[in-house]
Amino acid sequence: DSGVTQTPKHLITATGQRVTLRCSPRSGDLSVYWYQQSLDQGLQFLIQYYNGEERAKGNILERFSAQQFPDLHSELNLSSLELGDSALYFCASTRLAGENNEQFFGPGTRLTVL
Amino acid sequence: GESVGLHLPTLSVQEGDNSIINCAYSNSASDYFIWYKQESGKGPQFIIDIRSNMDKRQGQRVTVLLNKTVKHLSLQIAATQPGDSAVYFCAENINTGGFKTIFGAGTRLFVKA
Repeated sequence: DSGVTQTPKHLITATGQRVTLRCSPRSGDLSVYWYQQSLDQGLQFLIQYYNGEERAKGNILERFSAQQFPDLHSELNLSSLELGDSALYFCASTRLAGENNEQFFGPGTRLTVL
Repeated sequence: GESVGLHLPTLSVQEGDNSIINCAYSNSASDYFIWYKQESGKGPQFIIDIRSNMDKRQGQRVTVLLNKTVKHLSLQIAATQPGDSAVYFCAENINTGGFKTIFGAGTRLFVKA
């Protein structure tokens, strides 16, 4: 158990809908990262937050947004869902935002868009 | 369990043999590299890391080698065990003000008993 929690574990929804994925980092960690893992693209970095502020951005679509709240939990919002958004979404956390940090990953949320 | 990819390179080794998993990274400005292990149904788990000012680092049964000249990383697992069966990812951190982590495609390791 990494100490990172994600809810829900599974989510099934329809095209065009909007969903929110939630992540709670390890106790004491200030930085949260979101990743998408699909069958044909491996692990793709989406976005990083540190202490409530966006710190780095990867291949995140405009239909997706995220935020980190004062209690340090983070939410990833996915809107106007398409079939191709079906994937595993992982959250990871580190204590700081710096480079020399092992990332601790949560168990993931499996999103299925029908 | 969860499938992490149907088209991953696959390495099959006999239990007790050594395994070598290779990775080519993309950005010559990357200065921190990590290997992760992902078992079916779980998130990636840190194995070992290395900074760019090193060319070798050893862990308990694992060794990472870094060749910056050709932008190549390898992970060596000694005396491979069935519990080592998983998908292995290399990752590089690029400083963009924050740290953007880029993962390689992954290699699936099968350990035959």
